Formats: sequence, C-alpha cells, structure tokens
Amino acid sequence: DAGITQSPRHKVTETGTPVTLRCHQTENHRYMYWYRQDPGHGLRLIHYSYGVKDTDKGEVSDGYSVSRSKTEDFLLTLESATSSQTSVYFCATTGGNTDTQYFGPGTRLTVL
Amino acid sequence: GQQLNQSPQSMFIQEGEDVSMNCTSSSIFNTWLWYKQDPGEGPVLLIALYKAGELTSNGRLTAQFGITRKDSFLNISASIPSDVGIYFCAPSSGATNKLIFGTGTLLAVQP
Repeated sequence: DAGITQSPRHKVTETGTPVTLRCHQTENHRYMYWYRQDPGHGLRLIHYSYGVKDTDKGEVSDGYSVSRSKTEDFLLTLESATSSQTSVYFCATTGGNTDTQYFGPGTRLTVL
Repeated sequence: GQQLNQSPQSMFIQEGEDVSMNCTSSSIFNTWLWYKQDPGEGPVLLIALYKAGELTSNGRLTAQFGITRKDSFLNISASIPSDVGIYFCAPSSGATNKLIFGTGTLLAVQP
C-alpha cells in the first residue's frame, strides 16, 4: 500500500464536458501512472510521469492530457469527454528502484 | 507492439482444488509480476519475479519466471472462497519502469 488516493471515486458526466481526475500519493514515489480498465482489455497505460513536470504518453493517450506540478499529485484531464472514455481509471506509483507498481482504488467514470 | 497472452480467461472451480494460470509472450522480459484484483478495488501485488528460472512462493501461491524469459505461471493450491478475483500477469522490460498487463484470469471458487 503506497498511500494512494483517487478523487472522485465515481463521476457521471455528459459528452463534451471537461473532466479532471486526481491521484494523490504520500510515499514520495518518483513514478506515477494512469491506466484505464475495460472488459477484455486488462489495464492499458494512458500516460505516465517520471518526475515533476516530466510526463510521457502510454498506449492509449489520445483524448487525454496529464499534469504533475508536485511529486504527490498527478492529474488526468479529459478535455472533452466522449462515451468511449467511459471506464474505470486507476492510478499507480512506483519508487523506481523496482518495477513493482502500487495501485489506487480507482475512479469509475461514466460519460453519457 | 508486444503480444502478451494470458490463459485461461476464466476458471470455475470447487473449494480445495488447485489452480494454474500462465502468461506467454513473443518478447523477452526482465521482470514478471502477478497481481490480484478484488471487485471494485485496485490490483494488489501477489508475487514479483526478477530472475529467469526463479520460483517463488507466497503462502499457497507459487509463481515461476520462465527460463526463456518469455513466460510465467502462477499456481494456487487448495483454493478457498477468498481467492475469487481477477489475476493479472504484468511483465516489464525494466528499461522504462512500465508494465504490460495481461487480459486477466477470472477465478470463481464454489464453496
């Protein structure tokens, strides 16, 4: 358990609205990740961060942006939500000396 | 991209039975991790493997890092109802601290 919290835990929004999900960690881990989980796809990496202000794209980054202004916070933004972005979003962190990632409890997002 | 095959997709067993699941890939990895996800929660690490051929146990769980570095298996002995969940393999090449996740094995245990 890496002291990871996600907010909100549940959100329902409408197509075209902006949405921001927050991940907060208390372990001072260097690396942070955003995944989405959909049936039949497992967990797919959206974006990740390897330090403050250092981010990079994952395999499903289209339609998403991220920001990391502090070590403890990693924000995921959907600029204009679409129904295909209905999913469960997980944040994860790792200290970097191993590949072991620790996951938050998830955010269930529904885009109507 | 890297292909990762996890099987079986699902298993429905009786309490007390042993379970085996595996992941195979065409790519070589330096690390194999196994996670379990309970309904409504995030994945939790079960076992981490860092060396080809390594066999590691954690209670009733045993996992092995394949000698070719392209596969791994997870065994659960004497299953109990709380073993219910989705199990994921997650290998890494180690160069970027990124994991690739299998599609998961759904385990259901009948008491």
